[in-house]
Amino acid sequence: SQELEQSPQSLIVQEGKNLTINCTSSKTLYGLYWYKQKYGEGLIFLMMLQKGGEEKSHEKITAKLDEKKQQSSLHITASQPSHAGIYLCGAAANNFNKFYFGSGTKLNVKP
Amino acid sequence: DAMVIQNPRYQVTQFGKPVTLSCSQTLNHNVMYWYQQKSSQAPKLLFHYYDKDFNNEADTPDNFQSRRPNTSFCFLDIRSPGLGDAAMYLCATSRGGTGSPLHFGNGTRLTVT
Repeated sequence: SQELEQSPQSLIVQEGKNLTINCTSSKTLYGLYWYKQKYGEGLIFLMMLQKGGEEKSHEKITAKLDEKKQQSSLHITASQPSHAGIYLCGAAANNFNKFYFGSGTKLNVKP
Repeated sequence: DAMVIQNPRYQVTQFGKPVTLSCSQTLNHNVMYWYQQKSSQAPKLLFHYYDKDFNNEADTPDNFQSRRPNTSFCFLDIRSPGLGDAAMYLCATSRGGTGSPLHFGNGTRLTVT
């Protein structure tokens, strides 16, 4: 199965600070997906990266894909309390319908 | 709004007593997934259906079964729940193929007493 390692496991930042979360895959990536999960709820899709070097942004969240390194990073600019939650990266295996996740990065933003 | 709905949100069952969790979707997606998520862990893929084709993960215990009677509904049956099966169970759907993100329900939290 695909293994996805996320770092850090948890993060506490002051409101307004920038932060970066990393995701490294043990196998070739066929697309990398970022999700956000609030405690006790399902996963909310944030964005999808498919090509090496691709970068996408949504509001203050930017994600990049380094296909050669089998890595992706998620960067939040000027963090807000609403950004708090668990961020998970996910990837499809070479069977595109098998989908695996990292264990997540728990983010707290202090007002 | 098109969505993925899981019922119930919270389920309590007794050790060894069969339990069924349900998932429905209005997205008309081909693929439906069941994941098990324990505290502070990655969601673990149990199985998925592509239309009626069932795909089991090699390490999914035989205690876990699934049914997909039609496109819209998928069920997770736990035949004899153990204490270790207490977890959040997440249902997700996708169109299938490359570039198809998963859409999740809000999950069912299972407690085994």
